[in-house]
Amino acid sequence: QSVLTQPPSVSAAPGQRVTISCSGTSSNIGNNYVSWYQQLPGTAPKLLIYENDKRPSGIPDRFSGSKSGTSATLGISGLQTGDEADYYCGTWDSSLSAGPYVFGTGTKVTVL
Amino acid sequence: QSTLKESGPTLVKPTETLTLTCTLSGFSLSSSGVGVGWIRQPPGKALEWLALIYWNDDKRYSPSLKSRLTITKDASKNQVVLEMTYLDPVDTATYFCAHISRYYTLWDNYYVFDFWGQGTLVTVSS
Repeated sequence: QSVLTQPPSVSAAPGQRVTISCSGTSSNIGNNYVSWYQQLPGTAPKLLIYENDKRPSGIPDRFSGSKSGTSATLGISGLQTGDEADYYCGTWDSSLSAGPYVFGTGTKVTVL
Repeated sequence: QSTLKESGPTLVKPTETLTLTCTLSGFSLSSSGVGVGWIRQPPGKALEWLALIYWNDDKRYSPSLKSRLTITKDASKNQVVLEMTYLDPVDTATYFCAHISRYYTLWDNYYVFDFWGQGTLVTVSS
């Protein structure tokens, strides 16, 4: 069902950096801004990044976002145990078969 | 502080219609640029966007579920209601509503799901 593809899982030790990719097409990521959401276990998703690389108030600068072409990337540096969560990318989609809003397949971040 | 809260039945029988209510607090869906969306998440699975409604009553639906969904707003009650017909066990999920804000850049404007309700688990079973 998900139109945007993410790796199922990534892991790293505390203090290290991880990156999560989000791959789409010209009908979604290629022509729209990307958001990233963090979902801690048993809770609702929380906006982490919007407009590809901007952080809402209160989100630490350890979280960063970027976009190139039809792909986007979320980076988490200085990994902490509290960062263990599922992460989703999301964006608008202009195709008739999807959207108008689509989410990624989700990535589970594990802190070793 | 602006919040949203979902409410509705926790157990629904197959073929029945599900009605979910999202009650808004601290903001109004009458304000220009504001919207509310519905998203669901089956247990252990990814998020799936379902529908949204904007302040101007513009409505959008997921193409795969469009025939089964109806979204409406009640400004007087500050609520958004989602109806889903012909429920099936595969519709078992946590259903979230989320606030949508309009953001501006130098060249255009766009919308962001910027905060979410806590979600409500709906189980479809006979």
